[in-house]
Amino acid sequence: KQEVTQIPAALSVPEGENLVLNCSFTDSAIYNLQWFRQDPGKGLTSLLLIQSSQREQTSGRLNASLDKSSGRSTLYIAASQPGDSATYLCAVHSGGYQKVTFGTGTKLQVIP
Amino acid sequence: EAGVTQSPTHLIKTRGQQATLRCSPISGHTSVYWYQQALGLGLQFLLWYDEGEERNRGNFPPRFSGRQFPNYSSELNVNALELEDSALYLCASSWGQGAGELFFGEGSRLTVL
Repeated sequence: KQEVTQIPAALSVPEGENLVLNCSFTDSAIYNLQWFRQDPGKGLTSLLLIQSSQREQTSGRLNASLDKSSGRSTLYIAASQPGDSATYLCAVHSGGYQKVTFGTGTKLQVIP
Repeated sequence: EAGVTQSPTHLIKTRGQQATLRCSPISGHTSVYWYQQALGLGLQFLLWYDEGEERNRGNFPPRFSGRQFPNYSSELNVNALELEDSALYLCASSWGQGAGELFFGEGSRLTVL
C-alpha cells in the first residue's frame, strides 16, 4: 500500500525567500507524481506533473524534482510571494486502477 | 477551453435526505474521479469512472454511488445522508485510463444538518 507523507505540515516564511516542500512515498513503482495547490475551500490547481522517467519539471518560479529510488520529491519555490500562500499537495500515481494517493499537504504562509 | 465544472457550489440537506452532485469533465477527458475532503482532513478517494463504467471505488459505504453518462459527465449520489457526510466533494478528470494528469473542479460543499 502506497503511503505519502509531506513534511512540514505547515511553513511560514517571509516574502522573497526561496523554499522547499518535501513529499515522500513508500512504493517506488510509480507512474507519475503531481503537485497541486489548494486555496481554502477551493479545488486543487495542478502545478507540475513529473512522469516516472523524468527527474524534474519546471514552471516559472516552481521546480519539482523526483528521485524514485529514494521515494522523494521536492517542490522548490523561488522568490516566494504572498500569493503563494496555500496548501500544497503531492499526489502519487501508482499501481493499477488509477490508484492515486495524496499526501496530507503542507500549509504555506508567505508573510509580506 | 473550459475546465472541470461542478454543480451545485453549495448544497444544504438534512439527515436522511439524498444529495446529487454533478461534474462535467474537460472536453476530451474520459475519466472522472470523485474525492471527499472533510474539514481538516485529506482527500479520500470515492469513485473512478471511465468510458461509462465504474472502474474502482474507495472505502465508502454503498450509499455513495454514481454514474457516468455517454457525454462523460458524471453524478455522485449520496443516500441516507449522515452528519459526517458534510464535506467538500471534488471531481477530477483526466484523459484515458493511463496515468494522465488530473484536473480538478472547484468542488461542491455539502452541509448536512
